Amino acid sequence: AQTVTQSQPEMSVQEAETVTLSCTYDTSESDYYLFWYKQPPSRQMILVIRQEAYKQQNATENRFSVNFQKAAKSFSLKISDSQLGDAAMYFCAYRRLQGAQKLVFGQGTRLTINP
Amino acid sequence: GAVVSQHPSRVICKSGTSVKIECRSLDFQATTMFWYRQFPKKSLMLMATSNEGSKATYEQGVEKDKFLINHASLTLSTLTVTSAHPEDSSFYICSARKAGGALIQYFGAGTRLSVL
Repeated sequence: AQTVTQSQPEMSVQEAETVTLSCTYDTSESDYYLFWYKQPPSRQMILVIRQEAYKQQNATENRFSVNFQKAAKSFSLKISDSQLGDAAMYFCAYRRLQGAQKLVFGQGTRLTINP
Repeated sequence: GAVVSQHPSRVICKSGTSVKIECRSLDFQATTMFWYRQFPKKSLMLMATSNEGSKATYEQGVEKDKFLINHASLTLSTLTVTSAHPEDSSFYICSARKAGGALIQYFGAGTRLSVL
């Protein structure tokens, strides 16, 4: 079974600085999808960024980018120019390409932005 | 686009009663919906996958007779917690995926259930 591990329960960063959240996963499959979701205090889950495993190029979305290391099974999220609105729980998630297409979530990292 | 509405946002009930939670895709058709449970400061645990017009697929350890899921239309899935007990108190979240096997899941805002 696939597992997703986020080893940082909490992280904090100064406003306008850069922070990287870590995520590793375990799978025997070669094709899959990876996601970062954000859950602000409102509890609404919001998709931040996604990566297809067959793509070597790291995904970027404005201030958010990932470092996808397929061989190492690592998928970290970098947030540049951190803003107060970035404060939230961040969840890394894995999804198989075929078959059961459910999301497997990591434990989450709580990100605090210090003004 | 891709809005998922979940209702109610909060419910308080007495032990032994049943509670129904609705999940609606407002601007798209969802052949597949997912129900999650989230404990305080914890991650989301998938309870079941609901496919329109067929029986839900429950994850291991989830009591299907206690958590009844119905997905009768392409825009509505319901989760009924039957004979609720205090240990069922939790945050329940639904998500929906667009018809056609789309990649992205869109999430509702969740329902906080408190059983007294």
